[in-house]
Amino acid sequence: SQQGEEDPQALSIQEGENATMNCSYKTSINNLQWYRQNSGRGLVHLILIRSNEREKHSGRLRVTLDTSKKSSSLLITASRAADTASYFCATCSVDRDDKIIFGKGTRLHILP
Amino acid sequence: GAVVSQHPSWVICKSGTSVKIECRSLDFQATTMFWYRQFPKQSLMLMATSNEGSKATYEQGVEKDKFLINHASLTLSTLTVTSAHPEDSSFYICSAVRDRESWTNEKLFFGSGTQLSVL
Repeated sequence: SQQGEEDPQALSIQEGENATMNCSYKTSINNLQWYRQNSGRGLVHLILIRSNEREKHSGRLRVTLDTSKKSSSLLITASRAADTASYFCATCSVDRDDKIIFGKGTRLHILP
Repeated sequence: GAVVSQHPSWVICKSGTSVKIECRSLDFQATTMFWYRQFPKQSLMLMATSNEGSKATYEQGVEKDKFLINHASLTLSTLTVTSAHPEDSSFYICSAVRDRESWTNEKLFFGSGTQLSVL
């Protein structure tokens, strides 16, 4: 079963606004990663944050990790139409033999 | 960055036939490959972990006789869906990694996926 839970499951915002997606998990992790998937395509890696890190930036992306709450957030600033996609968090679980487990994902739709 | 090639990208077949999906690491040696399955608008479900030269480790609920995995070389793993039925229709995606050290500390490299449609 998948351990990650993203919320919201779907999000529609106007172009230019910021989009925030959250991910919660249940076990101890080595790292947490965020991926993007366009419809019917493979996954594109966005950012990896290690268990001893609290925040990481990459371009318009900002990821936070709170290991005490077992949660992470992905913020996309100044959203663009091209950001429309599904976003998944994935955890490398220490408790599950280091398997990479994906959350349910957030479907983000940027309105022009 | 590392490149993982997955083939075919789309296959349509009749019920009862077997379908083979290939996953190749093009510029690195992959001791481990992961196979995932994804239904429409849902997440990726880990099916099995494939290690070069040994038997694959299947997740609970995944039929190993139904989904045959072979990892005969450091650059190729195959997933064969045997006697496919309409309920096997799904998006299958592989990920190749160099070793345990790399996948626990680095990002995964994914193939582009295979859409299987069983009529």
